Amino acid sequence: AQKVTQAQTEISVVEKEDVTLDCVYETRDTTYYLFWYKQPPSGELVFLIRRNSFDEQNEISGRYSWNFQKSTSSFNFTITASQVVDSAVYFCALSEARGNNRLAFGKGNQVVVIP
Amino acid sequence: DAGVIQSPRHEVTEMGQEVTLRCKPISGHDYLFWYRQTMMRGLELLIYFNNNVPIDDSGMPEDRFSAKMPNASFSTLKIQPSEPRDSAVYFCASRGRGTGGSPLHFGNGTRLTVT
Repeated sequence: AQKVTQAQTEISVVEKEDVTLDCVYETRDTTYYLFWYKQPPSGELVFLIRRNSFDEQNEISGRYSWNFQKSTSSFNFTITASQVVDSAVYFCALSEARGNNRLAFGKGNQVVVIP
Repeated sequence: DAGVIQSPRHEVTEMGQEVTLRCKPISGHDYLFWYRQTMMRGLELLIYFNNNVPIDDSGMPEDRFSAKMPNASFSTLKIQPSEPRDSAVYFCASRGRGTGGSPLHFGNGTRLTVT
C-alpha cells in the first residue's frame, strides 16, 4: 500500500531563511504522482506542485523548488527566502496510477515563519 | 471558475443528531472525493465517486456514515447518528479525468463539532 512519511512535525524559521521539507514515500507501482499541498491557517487546502514518476527533473517555480529522487524515494520541497505568509501546514501526497485514484497524504509539516 | 463549494462551513450538533454535509464539485470534473481531517489521523479518504458512482468506500468508518451523489453537481455526506468522535473537518474535493495525476481541488471544508 502507498505510504507517505513527513518526519518533521514543526519547523520554525526566521523570515528570509530557506526551509526544506522532507517527504519519503513508499509504493509498489512504477507509475505514480507526487504532490505538495499547502494548508494556511484559514484551513483550505491549496495545490502547489505535482511530479510524475517518470520525470525526475528538479524545478524551480518562484520561491518554490523541489528535489525528486527515485533512488531514495524522496520528494523534498524548499521555500526560498521565506515570508510570513508561508506559515502553514504543508502536505506531501502520493497517488498511484493503479491505486484506484487514492491520494494518500503525509501527516504534514507545520511551518512557522518568524518575522 | 467557482471552485469546489461546501456547506455549511461550520456545524455544531448534539450527539445522536443527523448531520448532512454538502458539496458542489467543479463543473466538468468526473471525480469527487470526501476526506476527513483530524489531529490524530490526519487526512483520511472516506469515499470517492467517478461519474456519480461510488467506487471506493473502504474509508467510511462505519455504517453511521453514508454518501450519495445524485448528479454530477451535487454530493452529500451524512452521519446518523452523530457521535463526539466524528468531530473533524470534512473536505470535499474534485478532479478531472485521468489516472490520478490530476491534482485534487479542495473545498474550504466543513468543521463539524458534535457535543
